[in-house]
Amino acid sequence: QKEVEQNSGPLSVPEGAIASLNCTYSDRGSQSFFWYRQYSGKSPELIMFIYSNGDKEDGRFTAQLNKASQYVSLLIRDSQPSDSATYLCAVKPQEYSTLTFGKGTMLLVSP
Amino acid sequence: EPEVTQTPSHQVTQMGQEVILRCVPISNHLYFYWYRQILGQKVEFLVSFYNNEISEKSEIFDDQFSVERPDGSNFTLKIRSTKLEDSAMYFCASSKRTDTQYFGPGTRLTVL
Repeated sequence: QKEVEQNSGPLSVPEGAIASLNCTYSDRGSQSFFWYRQYSGKSPELIMFIYSNGDKEDGRFTAQLNKASQYVSLLIRDSQPSDSATYLCAVKPQEYSTLTFGKGTMLLVSP
Repeated sequence: EPEVTQTPSHQVTQMGQEVILRCVPISNHLYFYWYRQILGQKVEFLVSFYNNEISEKSEIFDDQFSVERPDGSNFTLKIRSTKLEDSAMYFCASSKRTDTQYFGPGTRLTVL
């Protein structure tokens, strides 16, 4: 059973702070990792993907991957109230097309 | 920017009735997917579709479910005899290759 685990939160940070969201996965063979943002009642919106160990930066977002520890994280710098949402970690084995999602971490950014 | 679209946004049906949920994937994408999300729970994979056939399906996708690409643009999910537990948000997604998937806005299905 492939599992993706996330702390459900809420994670509360003040505006302008760095938010750190974490995710662990059970399938050691997983190759592709995705972060989606989901506002309440809306669909998942792709933020970033990462395939290789290390960091990947895109604007205020940085994804970090450590395959040895089976751990992927998302850092959000200069957090804004509009970043308040649930952040979904999703993992995909290389040979399959399906995504396995975690339950998500709710982020609350207070002004 | 191209988007995945879904209709209807909300479908209410009686238990035992058939429903068809419709999706228009991004035009140059080749891989299509259906996911569902029961309220308060995680997004769950149902089925993937490529080259006019199912490429993978989950345990959830049993005989009451079917998918079809009736023309060059639409991708449909049919639930033959709806149950109360089918109430959920249903998301269609598409991808150009087997990598980043883009989700549509979803159809909220309510089974009474």
